[in-house]
Amino acid sequence: AQSVAQPEDQVNVAEGNPLTVKCTYSVSGNPYLFWYVQYPNRGLQFLLKYITGDNLVKGSYGFEAEFNKSQTSFHLKKPSALVSDSALYFCAVEWGNTDKLIFGTGTRLQVFP
Amino acid sequence: GAVVSQHPSWVICKSGTSVKIECRSLDFQATTMFWYRQFPKQSLMLMATSNEGSKATYEQGVEKDKFLINHASLTLSTLTVTSAHPEDSSFYICSARTAGNYEQYFGPGTRLTVT
Repeated sequence: AQSVAQPEDQVNVAEGNPLTVKCTYSVSGNPYLFWYVQYPNRGLQFLLKYITGDNLVKGSYGFEAEFNKSQTSFHLKKPSALVSDSALYFCAVEWGNTDKLIFGTGTRLQVFP
Repeated sequence: GAVVSQHPSWVICKSGTSVKIECRSLDFQATTMFWYRQFPKQSLMLMATSNEGSKATYEQGVEKDKFLINHASLTLSTLTVTSAHPEDSSFYICSARTAGNYEQYFGPGTRLTVT
């Protein structure tokens, strides 16, 4: 079955430090991978996607993610965290031509001043 | 660009009544719209997928007679929760995408509370 795993419920990082939010997936065929961010009582905002091509994808607000096919991972990274980055982050995968996104359980990022 | 709105942002209704939630793509034509449900501190669960002018495709376990979805135009989809019960209380989020675009653009969500 297709699935997405975000192994960490919460990630804590000090402002200015690099951050990583982990995501692994299990799908048949070629995955389309996405990261979204959600602020309290709000919908999701698109950060970045991997469809094909360069494994390192750069997105909004200084975030980037690296597609690693051998490890079936798509970790979200940022070189220097901001307090305003504190939010709930979701990894999602779409496979084939289903048009459907499967979401991970989300990781709460807390950046401390 | 790519803005999706939802109305209302929150609604309280009594058990047994019906409530309609609107999802609009404001600056693009949405060939496909999706409806999700999100419980507190949990992920999004896809309820149904709708294409303009077609009947919605519901995910397993979602009652199509209870959650009526209409996608009458390329900019509007509606979700009607019929005969609402307290267990229907949740955060409902819609998203939209255009043909050939892999990204889904999400609305701000509607918080439904059934008393």
